Amino acid sequence: ETGVTQTPRHLVMGMTNKKSLKCEQHLGHNAMYWYKQSAKKPLELMFVYSLEERVENNSVPSRFSPECPNSSHLFLHLHTLQPEDSALYLCASSQEGSPLHFGNGTRLTVT
Amino acid sequence: AQSVTQLDSQVPVFEEAPVELRCNYSSSVSVYLFWYVQYPNQGLQLLLKYLSGSTLVKGINGFEAEFNKSQTSFHLRKPSVHISDTAEYFCAAFPSGGYQKVTFGIGTKLQVIP
Repeated sequence: ETGVTQTPRHLVMGMTNKKSLKCEQHLGHNAMYWYKQSAKKPLELMFVYSLEERVENNSVPSRFSPECPNSSHLFLHLHTLQPEDSALYLCASSQEGSPLHFGNGTRLTVT
Repeated sequence: AQSVTQLDSQVPVFEEAPVELRCNYSSSVSVYLFWYVQYPNQGLQLLLKYLSGSTLVKGINGFEAEFNKSQTSFHLRKPSVHISDTAEYFCAAFPSGGYQKVTFGIGTKLQVIP
């Protein structure tokens, strides 16, 4: 069992759909993150939750909406996405001062 | 704020040959440095980390990295690569304090040729 589990692994959605990505961590960490990974670009930090409060929001379009109901779960709600939003979305967790632990990601394709 | 530069986007190397993947950083504060590896269709896995102490850091799978403060570098090395080392490698830095605000390099694809 990996420490950080993401579902689904693959998602294809139309621009008018609404879907959600789920992340669960089993490491007892107190911070969780969403990253976007696109080809030939550095990883982009989207959101950070620390102790269930959002502490970072890097100018992400409102069509991406995060939710952190508790320290073990993180969601990314998606609606009216654009084709350029197609990417690998990575969830990570950490304890303050320790390295990030990543999930295997959700490969999102927007058609 | 900090930045991380990986100078090579792709590095081809023959099996059993040595390899060095380069990483330079800049920061106005002290940073911790990391290397992560990403295999196809997977997330990032921590390879090694430098927090303090000895500048030569050993990681998993036979990799090591050396922190050089004067040259602001943290190059990754392996004396003899294996086919299974084919992956993408990311250098990362985050400030030594507060919650994490990690900066990643753009990644280097290591291709091991049989």
